[in-house]
Amino acid sequence: EAQVTQNPRYLITVTGKKLTVTCSQNMNHEYMSWYRQDPGLGLRQIYYSMNVEVTDKGDVPEGYKVSRKEKRNFPLILESPSPNQTSLYFCASSPTGTVNTEAFFGQGTRLTVV
Amino acid sequence: AQTVTQSQPEMSVQEAETVTLSCTYDTSESNYYLFWYKQPPSRQMILVIRQEAYKQQNATENRFSVNFQKAAKSFSLKISDSQLGDTAMYFCALWPGTYKYIFGTGTRLKVLA
Repeated sequence: EAQVTQNPRYLITVTGKKLTVTCSQNMNHEYMSWYRQDPGLGLRQIYYSMNVEVTDKGDVPEGYKVSRKEKRNFPLILESPSPNQTSLYFCASSPTGTVNTEAFFGQGTRLTVV
Repeated sequence: AQTVTQSQPEMSVQEAETVTLSCTYDTSESNYYLFWYKQPPSRQMILVIRQEAYKQQNATENRFSVNFQKAAKSFSLKISDSQLGDTAMYFCALWPGTYKYIFGTGTRLKVLA
């Protein structure tokens, strides 16, 4: 089954404790991206990757890091989480980043930073 | 600037009735795509319908259809014969070919029995 898998689905952590949210897709997609969803703001892009070893900032990259060492994986790293990073996070993938067909979204990760 | 505006934070509709969700957008790109995504309480983002800007014909998927007015930059979603399972948050999204979606703030739709 074609899918994007995020883990964990729920996470409560403390300020400053490094964490990683994993994202994996099994569709051989070149393009992957991370979004955060906040009430009244919709979804905003954090980072994206056009292919292996090619990443770039989205609209709200501060406080986040990403890497794309393999085509299927695109982890989101919070080196020193803060309460304002409490949010719902989505990973998404598409065949390419230019001609758009459809984005496949992961199940979402609800992160709470206390 | 590229923007998507959903001016209806919440709506409700009676089961079996028809409801229209509004969306306006702004982009300077000539080749772009528009989407409606549904987010039920499970949080999963589900593609409802997709429209390519260069196609004049309005997209339709079963009970879901759009009214795409390119000159007015309007992209509304019509849900016919509303069902309880349509209760969800609906996001309008623009793909302007710049490696990201631009999402609206969402419309929370409640279908009443």
